[in-house]
Amino acid sequence: GAGVSQSPSNKVTEKGKDVELRCDPISGHTALYWYRQSLGQGLEFLIYFQGNSAPDKSGLPSDRFSAERTGGSVSTLTIQRTQQEDSAVYLCASSLAGSSKNTDTQYFGPGTRLTVL
Amino acid sequence: DQQVKQNSPSLSVQEGRISILNCDYTNSMFDYFLWYKKYPAEGPTFLISISSIKDKNEDGRFTVFLNKSAKHLSLHIVPSQPGDSAVYFCAASATQGGSEKLVFGKGTKLTVNP
Repeated sequence: GAGVSQSPSNKVTEKGKDVELRCDPISGHTALYWYRQSLGQGLEFLIYFQGNSAPDKSGLPSDRFSAERTGGSVSTLTIQRTQQEDSAVYLCASSLAGSSKNTDTQYFGPGTRLTVL
Repeated sequence: DQQVKQNSPSLSVQEGRISILNCDYTNSMFDYFLWYKKYPAEGPTFLISISSIKDKNEDGRFTVFLNKSAKHLSLHIVPSQPGDSAVYFCAASATQGGSEKLVFGKGTKLTVNP
């Protein structure tokens, strides 16, 4: 499969625990995004990685959230000390992000459904 | 403050008729607009896009119209098919900033009845 993959597909955790969500982008895509969708809401931007540039973290809701992208490929989103309001579907997307400023199509993974009890 | 608004949470149409999904935005810096389609338990899939230099883009049964002065765009699906039943998200980006993050609306659930 050549699409964006995410793991786990579902995660149930207890309040206060840390969780790690993984994203494998499409091979060759230099841009990687994390979004989340809370119940009844649209997708909310969290963080954006582009090549070796400093990531755009402007969407992270608190300092409990962090993300890394190792080797320009796989990314991990970490949520520390989870709260019930963190419950959402976390979606990863990747794009070619070529030189054109006309937005490259973002291809989404299936998401990780996080439930914090 | 919602920058992208889809005011209709749901829409129901008959197979073969036209579906019109609407989207309004407030940020005049947005210069690229997209529609994504989402089935349950799947990630959104790209459907069609339009740059702010255009007012119409057509791809098969799907046409997106952009009215910049009204900060409004719409997606027309004609003829509608039962397989089009999904949640449709409108999204926008301001590419001048370099970060191509998308701002999404809350979505409109389209049901096409056979």
